[in-house]
Amino acid sequence: GQQLNQSPQSMFIQEGEDVSMNCTSSSIFNTWLWYKQDPGEGPVLLIALYKAGELTSNGRLTAQFGITRKDSFLNISASIPSDVGIYFCAGQPGNTGKLIFGQGTTLQVKP
Amino acid sequence: NAGVTQTPKFQVLKTGQSMTLQCAQDMNHNSMYWYRQDPGMGLRLIYYSASEGTTDKGEVPNGYNVSRLNKREFSLRLESAAPSQTSVYFCASTRTSGIGTQYFGPGTRLTVL
Repeated sequence: GQQLNQSPQSMFIQEGEDVSMNCTSSSIFNTWLWYKQDPGEGPVLLIALYKAGELTSNGRLTAQFGITRKDSFLNISASIPSDVGIYFCAGQPGNTGKLIFGQGTTLQVKP
Repeated sequence: NAGVTQTPKFQVLKTGQSMTLQCAQDMNHNSMYWYRQDPGMGLRLIYYSASEGTTDKGEVPNGYNVSRLNKREFSLRLESAAPSQTSVYFCASTRTSGIGTQYFGPGTRLTVL
């Protein structure tokens, strides 16, 4: 089946540093989504991307939908301790509503 | 406006027992989904319901059944639980299946002994 490769698997950074993570797929997606999951909670939507080449920001977060429609990246600028959590990318192939999730990037921020 | 709610939050079962996980959304969404989350594997789709009255298999449907009771509610049933079904289960919903932005509930943590 379709798979997403998300990297890196984990990051341990100093507060104030910028963070970058990405997802790649062997298949084309129509939508790319980025979610954050806090411990013991469900994933919360951060950014949704609907068009190839689209660059969207949400506060300190910026995400892009790759031109080939097979990849996406998420950047977090000036990280803070509350950025700690697991970040997931998800892609939607076609219009079925099904999402394919990456394995997640665990982010730890040292104050 | 509670969004997506799930019950129970925690459950421990013995092998062979059955149970139903409940999910409800108050956002008037048409499509609902059930996922399981295992360490290092992200979320995998078990079943989904594109609209009231329809259900379809996802990536890992074996050992599960679902019921779309009405527009608000979508339940997941384990008829004979197995240790391999120990996982965290998430329900999600979206306005229509053509839109990818799904909203998730808080999860049910299930342990099968």
